[in-house]
Amino acid sequence: ETGVTQTPRHLVMGMTNKKSLKCEQHLGHNAMYWYKQSAKKPLELMFVYSLEERVENNSVPSRFSPECPNSSHLFLHLHTLQPEDSALYLCASSHLNSPLHFGNGTRLTVT
Amino acid sequence: AQSVSQHNHHVILSEAASLELGCNYSYGGTVNLFWYVQYPGQHLQLLLKYFSGDPLVKGIKGFEAEFIKSKFSFNLRKPSVQWSDTAEYFCAVIESSASKIIFGSGTRLSIRP
Repeated sequence: ETGVTQTPRHLVMGMTNKKSLKCEQHLGHNAMYWYKQSAKKPLELMFVYSLEERVENNSVPSRFSPECPNSSHLFLHLHTLQPEDSALYLCASSHLNSPLHFGNGTRLTVT
Repeated sequence: AQSVSQHNHHVILSEAASLELGCNYSYGGTVNLFWYVQYPGQHLQLLLKYFSGDPLVKGIKGFEAEFIKSKFSFNLRKPSVQWSDTAEYFCAVIESSASKIIFGSGTRLSIRP
């Protein structure tokens, strides 16, 4: 149990589908993050939410849409993805400037 | 732009060999430094961190790292590796004034039994 729970663990979707990734933390952290981990590439920071407000958006395509309804939950809404979006998507939480606690990730395959 | 470099992409060692993984960062101000490990099929876990004080930091599972400010480095070491150390290792940096953590590209460590 990591304290950060991501669902689903695996997701296969077509390019025309709409799906959502879910992340939940009950560690009392005030910041949540979405990262993308592709093979042979550095971890890429996608979005940062601090106190439920988006404070970082690293030039992520609009087909990825984050949502943070409260400090414990974070979603990543996906639509019309491309095959190159296939990757491991990691959620993390922390207090600002403190180590991150990562979830197990969602392995996404776009066909 | 700030960056973190891990020059060793894949390291292969025999059990009981000594390990040193390099990490260099480009930011000149005050930083917090981390090493994370990702075992096969598992999530990222924190190995050790440096915020201030003694530049030689002890972590879990016998790992240590030394912060050398003049070299902008934070290399990870272990005197004697085990097969169970097979994993991907990530160095990460947070500028003290920022909320963003920057990761290196990772080093895959393979241990021959």
